[in-house]
Amino acid sequence: DAKTTQPTSMDCAEGRAANLPCNHSTISGNEYVYWYRQIHSQGPQYIIHGLKNNETNEMASLIITEDRKSSTLILPHATLRDTAVYYCIVSANFGNEKLTFGTGTRLTIIP
Amino acid sequence: DAGVIQSPRHEVTEMGQEVTLRCKPISGHDYLFWYRQTMMRGLELLIYFNNNVPIDDSGMPEDRFSAKMPNASFSTLKIQPSEPRDSAVYFCASSRTVNYGYTFGSGTRLTVV
Repeated sequence: DAKTTQPTSMDCAEGRAANLPCNHSTISGNEYVYWYRQIHSQGPQYIIHGLKNNETNEMASLIITEDRKSSTLILPHATLRDTAVYYCIVSANFGNEKLTFGTGTRLTIIP
Repeated sequence: DAGVIQSPRHEVTEMGQEVTLRCKPISGHDYLFWYRQTMMRGLELLIYFNNNVPIDDSGMPEDRFSAKMPNASFSTLKIQPSEPRDSAVYFCASSRTVNYGYTFGSGTRLTVV
């Protein structure tokens, strides 16, 4: 699996958009970008994933640069419940590739 | 759907005792994963199953750890004998595919004294 680099921590004001960056400069052509988050004392929760196109669902948007070496997870209107550790993971979507979690970004939403 | 169900939620045991953690995956999910989380090492994948068959157990720390999946609706992770350094939160997750859409359980917090 390609390695990812994320900031250790970030703050965002409640109601504003939270933009979480992730660098994955060694990503391979067949590797997807996945985002999970873990709210305190809970199991991780799947958010979104993508290959090369931008993706959006009810939780967030994922913007992947054209060279695929970095991506940004966007929470459009952050709430206090979005305070969590956010994990960016890259992995191929076939064979025995499984998800390996790094240290993530601790996002704190400020009231 | 009740989600992934783990039991017990908390377990406190004495060093040397056998510990069994249990997991019921979501019906229809072919993959089951066991993770361990500590402050020092973060989330570590211990083992995963596909259609009840262990596929990758390279993350199992040592022979004291074993995992089974006797059928599609039940899995166990056993530690025998337990040691204080095994204290952690153990998560079970299930999925339809090998690497996205994992649904995690609430975890079992294990304390070995």
